Amino acid sequence: NAGVTQTPKFRILKIGQSMTLQCTQDMNHNYMYWYRQDPGMGLKLIYYSVGAGITDKGEVPNGYNVSRSTTEDFPLRLELAAPSQTSVYFCASRPSAYGYTFGSGTRLTVV
Amino acid sequence: RKEVEQDPGPFNVPEGATVAFNCTYSNSASQSFFWYRQDCRKEPKLLMSVYSSGNEDGRFTAQLNRASQYISLLIRDSKLSDSATYLCVVNMGEGYSTLTFGKGTMLLVSP
Repeated sequence: NAGVTQTPKFRILKIGQSMTLQCTQDMNHNYMYWYRQDPGMGLKLIYYSVGAGITDKGEVPNGYNVSRSTTEDFPLRLELAAPSQTSVYFCASRPSAYGYTFGSGTRLTVV
Repeated sequence: RKEVEQDPGPFNVPEGATVAFNCTYSNSASQSFFWYRQDCRKEPKLLMSVYSSGNEDGRFTAQLNRASQYISLLIRDSKLSDSATYLCVVNMGEGYSTLTFGKGTMLLVSP
């Protein structure tokens, strides 16, 4: 039981490049989330999903896209990377009524 | 008023001390409450849920005061390994699919 797995762990992108951050969970959780955390700051919700085929915007969705074709996978797509997207990205999942389980994060630098 | 507010600290305490953190939340309909621990550059991890009657897990005690809309975390006999940021997390009520995170309280335990 791996929990929530995020790949890659680190990435450096050039301005204008695109990439997909992968997130997979093996706990059969319906709810999945993407957060970003800037240095010294709190978690900000980017997108979330309450089940396969359903996604919704969070607090800071601009510059990102998501899809949820299966229960297990919730990839986050960055189009046209900008320096403001330099951050640590955490994926999380939970069953309907309990706390989150987080992945170990992806550290992204846009230069 | 912010949805979930915490004193950012840092709280500097010696080993063996008792320390307490409070967190206030804005929505009186909030239903679920959690404390998470986040080590530097790591993902948040669930420390404990907070129940209406209060609950204890070893050296950690959590309390909920619905009338005043705050939750607390008490740590007894602090260890060096308790040094971390403690996040207060609240489900704002029925119909909310996401949890709301406070920005965290930093604890530094010194020898």
